[in-house]
Amino acid sequence: AQSVTQPDIHITVSEGASLELRCNYSYGATPYLFWYVQSPGQGLQLLLKYFSGDTLVQGIKGFEAEFKRSQSSFNLRKPSVHWSDAAEYFCAVFMIKAAGNKLTFGGGTRVLVKP
Amino acid sequence: GAVVSQHPSWVICKSGTSVKIECRSLDFQATTMFWYRQFPKQSLMLMATSNEGSKATYEQGVEKDKFLINHASLTLSTLTVTSAHPEDSSFYICSAPKGALYYNSPLHFGNGTRLTVT
Repeated sequence: AQSVTQPDIHITVSEGASLELRCNYSYGATPYLFWYVQSPGQGLQLLLKYFSGDTLVQGIKGFEAEFKRSQSSFNLRKPSVHWSDAAEYFCAVFMIKAAGNKLTFGGGTRVLVKP
Repeated sequence: GAVVSQHPSWVICKSGTSVKIECRSLDFQATTMFWYRQFPKQSLMLMATSNEGSKATYEQGVEKDKFLINHASLTLSTLTVTSAHPEDSSFYICSAPKGALYYNSPLHFGNGTRLTVT
């Protein structure tokens, strides 16, 4: 089955601490990978994406992600979180299908930031 | 500013009534729009792909007669939840790519509609 898995439903981190959100995908073809953030009352915002090339990609708001083909992973990281980073984070994989291309999301990880 | 506008942002309706949600692309033409449903604390599940001038493509398990999709123009898609019931209460999100949907197409999301059926 083709899918995206985010093993951690909730993560609580102290402000200033580092953050890592896990994402594993199952997709038979070349993966095109994304991380989105959803803040309360706001739409989804693209943090970063990976298509090819350098496996470490930089995004907005100080986030980065590393693509590891051998582990089928695309984990998101931030060295030092800010209170404003409290939100829901979604990993997604773009799937090319004869029936129609689509973007499939993982289950999401809710990040809580402690002062 | 937002390039995809979704309206209303929230709606409360009585069981048995129908509710229409609009999704507009503001500064580009969208031949394709996507409708997602998000249950509390869960992921976004693709419901259907809305195609301008043709029938929508529904994902497996989504009732076509329950969730009517109309994409009558290049900038507007509507989702109508017919004969709504409390189990239809959810957060509905639309998205639209600029151009054909490919991996490098900018994909813009609406801010979502919170539907509560009482």
